[in-house]
Amino acid sequence: GQSLEQPSEVTAVEGAIVQINCTYQTSGFYGLSWYQQHDGGAPTFLSYNALDGLEETGRFSSFLSRSDSYGYLLLQELQMKDSASYFCAVRSLAGGKLIFGQGTELSVKP
Amino acid sequence: KAGVTQTPRYLIKTRGQQVTLSCSPISGHRSVSWYQQTPGQGLQFLFEYFSETQRNKGNFPGRFSGRQFSNSRSEMNVSTLELGDSALYLCASSSSLAGGSTDTQYFGPGTRLTVL
Repeated sequence: GQSLEQPSEVTAVEGAIVQINCTYQTSGFYGLSWYQQHDGGAPTFLSYNALDGLEETGRFSSFLSRSDSYGYLLLQELQMKDSASYFCAVRSLAGGKLIFGQGTELSVKP
Repeated sequence: KAGVTQTPRYLIKTRGQQVTLSCSPISGHRSVSWYQQTPGQGLQFLFEYFSETQRNKGNFPGRFSGRQFSNSRSEMNVSTLELGDSALYLCASSSSLAGGSTDTQYFGPGTRLTVL
């Protein structure tokens, strides 16, 4: 089958750096995406890695290693507003379905 | 550009009833996908439509169906509702033609369905 695994919860303090990991089992996929969802809100797109390596977008960076079946989202200079759920997702080459991880709930403390 | 809109935002139904949810994608987007989100199962893919054709389908029973109109608006229908169908139903649109590459999904606010 195809699955993505993420930690269910992560806690960090304001100003710190936090890394949210995503490991996956899938036969092939186009790329790894990350989405943010605030409580009661719609998921919003954060980042996409089509190739191995690091992609940086402001305070957020995302990394992909296909050989290790692993990716992560790195959030720097954490702010209270970063408290949200973060989902990794891949679109499978087989069938084209978009598959999401279970999500990681990030709590940023003062 | 206006974002993805979904109606209604909240819905309460009883077991055995059926329900129809509506989604209007971002103007120019031809791909519409539907997801079910529950606390225990996370975001589960239901189906994707592109140019009025179902392009992909998730692992849901036949009670869940959908369609897309020529203006790219989409509806999903759930028949014979069960308690377990209570969830947030999210619609997302994308400009992607092939379903690959960047393929950013733009989500609507969702319809919160409660089945009593």
